[in-house]
Amino acid sequence: QLVESGGGVVQPGGSLRLSCTASGFSFRNYGMHWVRQAPGKGLEWVAFIQYDGAIKYYADSVKGRFSISRDNSQNTVYLQMNSLRGEDTAVYSCARPSGGYDVWGKGTAVTVSS
Amino acid sequence: EIVLTQSPATLSLSPGDRATLSCRASQSVSFYLAWYQQRPGQAPRLLIYDASNRATGIPARFSGSGSGTDFTLTISSLEPADFAVYYCQQRSNWPQTFGQGTRVDFK
Repeated sequence: QLVESGGGVVQPGGSLRLSCTASGFSFRNYGMHWVRQAPGKGLEWVAFIQYDGAIKYYADSVKGRFSISRDNSQNTVYLQMNSLRGEDTAVYSCARPSGGYDVWGKGTAVTVSS
Repeated sequence: EIVLTQSPATLSLSPGDRATLSCRASQSVSFYLAWYQQRPGQAPRLLIYDASNRATGIPARFSGSGSGTDFTLTISSLEPADFAVYYCQQRSNWPQTFGQGTRVDFK
């Protein structure tokens, strides 16, 4: 199971840190992804972190503004989001990769608005 | 970035019909393609991974085929719960990308 938290309403240029806490599987053995979905739109991959945190990838749309990290002792992956823009408004979900993304959280909503 | 183009955008069918959804990649993704179903207000559900492997618990009426740049998701006989949006996704190259989705709705 994956449970996200940390969403909310933030002004343009602001920051938020999202968390995703895992249970029911060996979190430290899996890389993790963040995926977002803007209202009424499709799925957009955001970021990935390897199981040990050594390798990270980002979508071009968030590179330099977002940072993914993890704490395997807390079974948690984070997404630090800085310099937020209106186009970052979305539901952010974490997902576990195993072939495809086989476990998803329900997501946490982020609204960027003045 | 690999662009995935799904067609059609909307498929209007009736329960019991066969559904055929297409996903075309802008360059080869080998067999590293997955399919997801998303019902309103729910998280996506993995249906097919690596082009043709059904995920755990997915009914046999869902099947995937293809390799390289052309992929197909087939639902052999639609049930009411299958009316949803379907996305393809590639994990061959970074950034991983999704298609724009195909909506299967009631005719």
